[in-house]
Amino acid sequence: DAGITQSPRHKVTETGTPVTLRCHQTENHRYMYWYRQDPGHGLRLIHYSYGVKDTDKGEVSDGYSVSRSKTEDFLLTLESATSSQTSVYFCAIRAFSGQSTDTQYFGPGTRLTVL
Amino acid sequence: DAKTTQPPSMDCAEGRAANLPCNHSTISGNEYVYWYRQIHSQGPQYIIHGLKNNETNEMASLIITEDRKSSTLILPHATLRDTAVYYCIVRVGYSGGGADGLTFGKGTHLIIQP
Repeated sequence: DAGITQSPRHKVTETGTPVTLRCHQTENHRYMYWYRQDPGHGLRLIHYSYGVKDTDKGEVSDGYSVSRSKTEDFLLTLESATSSQTSVYFCAIRAFSGQSTDTQYFGPGTRLTVL
Repeated sequence: DAKTTQPPSMDCAEGRAANLPCNHSTISGNEYVYWYRQIHSQGPQYIIHGLKNNETNEMASLIITEDRKSSTLILPHATLRDTAVYYCIVRVGYSGGGADGLTFGKGTHLIIQP
């Protein structure tokens, strides 16, 4: 499982409230990712990080912000949650194997419901 | 990244080998074939990847045709816990940076029958 944990695992919140999801890794990987997964849309990249305080947007970044103040933690914040952000959120790390390949390993996910 | 085609669903008897096909006829020379699976309500799980040689690890074997236009993931002795959606992805190896987010298609829903 590449030492990835996510918290909380389940959360129910109300529209307009801020929400922060946490991804924690224990293996000192430089790259970390946040995805959301929805029926009919598959896996979509929200934001990613390529080092401490180095982050960039993915495919569906609107309404989300991220922070990475230390290598092991990557936080995803919904500034003002909306019902369209109800989803399952996965964190991933990128591990390099050999000279030219890399693999992403995923956390267990956080199921977020916005009422 | 090249597009892949997989059957939407397959059945396999418990204890038998499960052979999951994937077509990737537009694969480029520097693209690898990756396999992931997702068991219901869990995070995607990496299984195996390869470039052109057959690969085997503790979970599965990957057979890539000589022309690299298709591949087969083999689970040698399927168990009920192997019931999952299996995704075949074709992507360039380490590119040196960038988002490099993964894109999963619809995959194959493999159902292991007791």
